[in-house]
Amino acid sequence: NAGVTQTPKFQVLKTGQSMTLQCAQDMNHNSMYWYRQDPGMGLRLIYYSASEGTTDKGEVPNGYNVSRLNKREFSLRLESAAPSQTSVYFCASSEDLQGRGEQYFGPGTRLTVT
Amino acid sequence: GENVEQHPSTLSVQEGDSAVIKCTYSDSASNYFPWYKQELGKGPQLIIDIRSNVGEKKDQRIAVTLNKTAKHFSLHITETQPEDSAVYFCAAKGIYNFNKFYFGSGTKLNVKP
Repeated sequence: NAGVTQTPKFQVLKTGQSMTLQCAQDMNHNSMYWYRQDPGMGLRLIYYSASEGTTDKGEVPNGYNVSRLNKREFSLRLESAAPSQTSVYFCASSEDLQGRGEQYFGPGTRLTVT
Repeated sequence: GENVEQHPSTLSVQEGDSAVIKCTYSDSASNYFPWYKQELGKGPQLIIDIRSNVGEKKDQRIAVTLNKTAKHFSLHITETQPEDSAVYFCAAKGIYNFNKFYFGSGTKLNVKP
């Protein structure tokens, strides 16, 4: 099992460009999450999907959109990138619909917006 | 929403010593408290967790304690080794926010050989 995979690993964007971060899990988990990690601020939840077909906002959803394509895949889209979105993005998944189970994290995508 | 504070931000110990990292939370409804270890260039990995119905949990050299009254929980690592060097995050989750985990700001642990 590959666990949680993310693509790309690194990305540089110019202000105003758009891109989609891809995430896939092969553990048959119900819930998936997108976090951003900034220095000194831990991990902050952007969006999550409790189950296939549902998505909800987290703490910092502004400037992002998500799609739960199927049970395996959960993508994060930046429509018009801004320098404030420079960060490391992590995707995670967990088995339980109520999110009570262990979260498994992907390796991260390091995004720089110039 | 929940607010999780973590201290210290950096911690340096000698190999073989113990390390303690502390977190406080604000929402008394929080009932699940995981700890994650993040090595350089990798995603966080769960190392231990505790639920609100117990006060302490151990797994070999690591342990977590929870004080619900004071709303704080701590990670204890004994007999530290250089491979324990990493960033550690605490988190909290409440019963009313099923899928929302709130993370502390992280502690960078350096174990000197």
